[in-house]
Amino acid sequence: GNSVTQMEGPVTLSEEAFLTINCTYTATGYPSLFWYVQYPGEGLQLLLKATKADDKGSNKGFEATYRKETTSFHLEKGSVQVSDSAVYFCALSFKAAGNKLTFGGGTRVLVKP
Amino acid sequence: EPEVTQTPSHQVTQMGQEVILRCVPISNHLYFYWYRQILGQKVEFLVSFYNNEISEKSEIFDDQFSVERPDGSNFTLKIRSTKLEDSAMYFCASSEQDLGNQPQHFGDGTRLSIL
Repeated sequence: GNSVTQMEGPVTLSEEAFLTINCTYTATGYPSLFWYVQYPGEGLQLLLKATKADDKGSNKGFEATYRKETTSFHLEKGSVQVSDSAVYFCALSFKAAGNKLTFGGGTRVLVKP
Repeated sequence: EPEVTQTPSHQVTQMGQEVILRCVPISNHLYFYWYRQILGQKVEFLVSFYNNEISEKSEIFDDQFSVERPDGSNFTLKIRSTKLEDSAMYFCASSEQDLGNQPQHFGDGTRLSIL
C-alpha cells in the first residue's frame, strides 16, 4: 500500500536557521504530494503541493520539490521564524484512490528566538 | 476566505454512548472526508463522501461509524456505542473536485474524549 515516512521530531532551531524536513513516499504510480501545517490548537492547513515530477511547490518561504527518482518531497525554508513553530505533515493522494490523503507521522518544529 | 467549520471543538462522552460530530464544509465543495488522529499517532483516513454516498472507507470505518449529509450544508459523523479507543481528534475536510491534486481544506477538528 501507499505510505509516507517523515523524519521524527521534534526539530528545535534558532530563529533564522535553515530548516529541512525529510519526506519519502512509497506508492505505485505517481501521486500528488502535499505539505500540511498544523499550528497549535488549529486544524491542518495546506502549505504547498506538487502534482508531477520535478514540480516545485512554494509558499510562505517554504519550498519542496517532487523528486521521482528518490521518491522524496523534502520541505525546506531558508530562514525560519518563531511563528513557523508547528507540526508539519507530508501527504500523498491519488485520484484512483478517491483522493484520500495518506499522511506521514508529522514533524514537530520548535523555533526559539 | 471560506473555511470548514466543525462543532463542537471538544466532546466528552461516556463509553457506550453515541456521539455526532458536525461539520460544515465549504459551500461549493462537493467531496467530503473524515480523518482522525489518535494522540501521538498519524492522521488516518476514515471515509470519503460524494453525491450523498460513501465513495471509500478505511478498515477503521466499521459498522460503528456512519456519515450523513442531512441537509445542504452539514456533514456529520456518527459514532455508536463509543469505546475508549475512539478518543481522538476528528477532522473534517472538503474539496472542490476529486482530481487527486486538488487540496483538501480541513476544519480545526473535534477532540473526542471517551471516559
